[in-house]
Amino acid sequence: GENVEQHPSTLSVQEGDSAVIKCTYSDSASNYFPWYKQELGKRPQLIIDIRSNVGEKKDQRIAVTLNKTAKHFSLHITETQPEDSAVYFCAASYSGGYQKVTFGIGTKLQVIP
Amino acid sequence: DGGITQSPKYLFRKEGQNVTLSCEQNLNHDAMYWYRQDPGQGLRLIYYSQIVNDFQKGDIAEGYSVSREKKESFPLTVTSAQKNPTAFYLCASSPGTVMNTEAFFGQGTRLTVV
Repeated sequence: GENVEQHPSTLSVQEGDSAVIKCTYSDSASNYFPWYKQELGKRPQLIIDIRSNVGEKKDQRIAVTLNKTAKHFSLHITETQPEDSAVYFCAASYSGGYQKVTFGIGTKLQVIP
Repeated sequence: DGGITQSPKYLFRKEGQNVTLSCEQNLNHDAMYWYRQDPGQGLRLIYYSQIVNDFQKGDIAEGYSVSREKKESFPLTVTSAQKNPTAFYLCASSPGTVMNTEAFFGQGTRLTVV
């Protein structure tokens, strides 16, 4: 089955700096890669996703890059703000719905004001 | 918050007891899922359901049971057979199980065995 590795497990950055979270996956058939943000005491929410037919996707201060050859994808947050502090999960799957999605262990991001 | 609701937020269970976690959604989603979240292990799939009256085991189904009698509801029972039930449980729903789209999560139930 699919195996998703995520690192770092914790990350502290100064407000205004960039944060990068990296994930690798094992199944070359995987073609869908969502990222979820879970604030303390709240539900995980999708912040961005990417499919295997594109290499990069941006949404304001958030971007995700995908390298299919190397089987890794990354989340980039620029100009970090205190409200970016949360746990971020990467995930990977091939087509078939969320029963086929494998999540990473999560990265706890702390943005220091 | 509307959408998908889990209750209760906190639950305490004595060893040997069964306990049921509630999950209700008003998104008209066909698919619903139960995950377990433990520190350092991400989200692991317990059970999922594609349509009413049908459900399938996920990766860690042992010691759990579910039902899907209504489209809106997908309760999870943690039985006494689950050896390590203390965890954070998340319910989610999505429009279907064929295409990958956004999954909507509930706020979770933290279960503690005392």
